[in-house]
Amino acid sequence: GESVGLHLPTLSVQEGDNSIINCAYSNSASDYFIWYKQESGKGPQFIIDIRSNMDKRQGQRVTVLLNKTVKHLSLQIAATQPGDSAVYFCAEVPTGGFKTIFGAGTRLFVKA
Amino acid sequence: EAGVTQSPTHLIKTRGQQATLRCSPISGHTSVYWYQQALGLGLQFLLWYDEGEERNRGNFPPRFSGRQFPNYSSELNVNALELEDSALYLCASSLASGSAGANVLTFGAGSRLTVL
Repeated sequence: GESVGLHLPTLSVQEGDNSIINCAYSNSASDYFIWYKQESGKGPQFIIDIRSNMDKRQGQRVTVLLNKTVKHLSLQIAATQPGDSAVYFCAEVPTGGFKTIFGAGTRLFVKA
Repeated sequence: EAGVTQSPTHLIKTRGQQATLRCSPISGHTSVYWYQQALGLGLQFLLWYDEGEERNRGNFPPRFSGRQFPNYSSELNVNALELEDSALYLCASSLASGSAGANVLTFGAGSRLTVL
């Protein structure tokens, strides 16, 4: 079925290092991608988004890269902090925007 | 501004019973979405309501149903509960379909349903 998957289910990084979380999506009929962060006991929260007509978008300490050729999305977190520890979901909104499709998530552990 | 609120926080039921979960969207949001998140897994789309109407439905059996009220709050009902229905049920809201920002979902903290 439809899916947005992730290459790595868990990622452990040292505090201060950069983190890269990858995502492969299968539905090519999409024009919008979003990264969400889910901390323990909370619902997912919006981090950053990117439209399909872009290949890079930067936010505060985060950058999203989109490669439509290989249907790959990545989230880069600069100078990772303990507060970044969470599960990160990539999400895809197909053209028409009827629903957001979420991947399985990557758990990020930040070691102090 | 209050975020998306869900109730109850936790709910324990036995097989065959019915569960009702409730969600209040952010003020000004008219779309409400329901997702199921099984332990350690991703979010599976359940239902989408907009302006009181069911707009889309995920690949779930008919015993999962819901509705949206005139004040845009929503209810998810699960009938004939099965053990595998145990999960975190997340509600999200967004601006009206077609408006700028409609694709960004704001989630509540979820309702944890345990079926024994």
